[in-house]
Amino acid sequence: QSALTQPASVSGSPGQSITISCTGTSSDVGGYNYVSWYQQHPGKAPKLMIYEVSNRPSGVSNRFSGSKSGNTASLTISGLQAEDEADYYCSSYTSSSTLEGYVFGTGTKVTVL
Amino acid sequence: EVQLVESGGGLVQPGGSLRLSCAASGFTFSSYEMNWVRQAPGKGLEWVSYISSSGSTIYYADSVKGRFTISRDNAKNSLYLQMNSLRAEDTAVYYCARVREEGGITGTSFDYWGQGTLVTVSS
Repeated sequence: QSALTQPASVSGSPGQSITISCTGTSSDVGGYNYVSWYQQHPGKAPKLMIYEVSNRPSGVSNRFSGSKSGNTASLTISGLQAEDEADYYCSSYTSSSTLEGYVFGTGTKVTVL
Repeated sequence: EVQLVESGGGLVQPGGSLRLSCAASGFTFSSYEMNWVRQAPGKGLEWVSYISSSGSTIYYADSVKGRFTISRDNAKNSLYLQMNSLRAEDTAVYYCARVREEGGITGTSFDYWGQGTLVTVSS
């Protein structure tokens, strides 16, 4: 049960756009449109930012968008703001011959320069 | 207001047991699927276990299978995680998380999380 692969860190200046990738396999990211993204500030619980690849929950800024191609999902943050500095995790539903459940990504630290 | 409040964490010796609880309020607990997710100090999120709304379907991560047991009491609006044969690598903050549902259709994302309870396994 391997974690999904994310870059360890991504940075950008205020107002810029950044993209975080999340690579899995055909048993998780590639097999289902069940990718979600979470934002976590230090010492806080994760917050849902994107569900089912590209949908935003009510209250989440439209500066956050998600997409998927093959086994790789992506989270884009446009118009980067200071409060976007946090850790970001992708997650996917997974199903195989030996496991059913969920898997998280390795996490990406976003730094606003 | 949806609230999830975990409790039961603490210091336990390797090989010991601990039972975590998650008290839910502000929504119809019996209608929602639930999960436990953990985060080791300074590390990423790790999914631990899932339970369906009725409790009839349960999944575990390979890392805890055979040692942890998830359960729920819908009459008490509570989720539990019984942890046995604890190891140092089980040290983490444990979160309970609700599976998002919209229009009666259950999704696969976690829309509400508790504040977490810290479990430390050490001699």
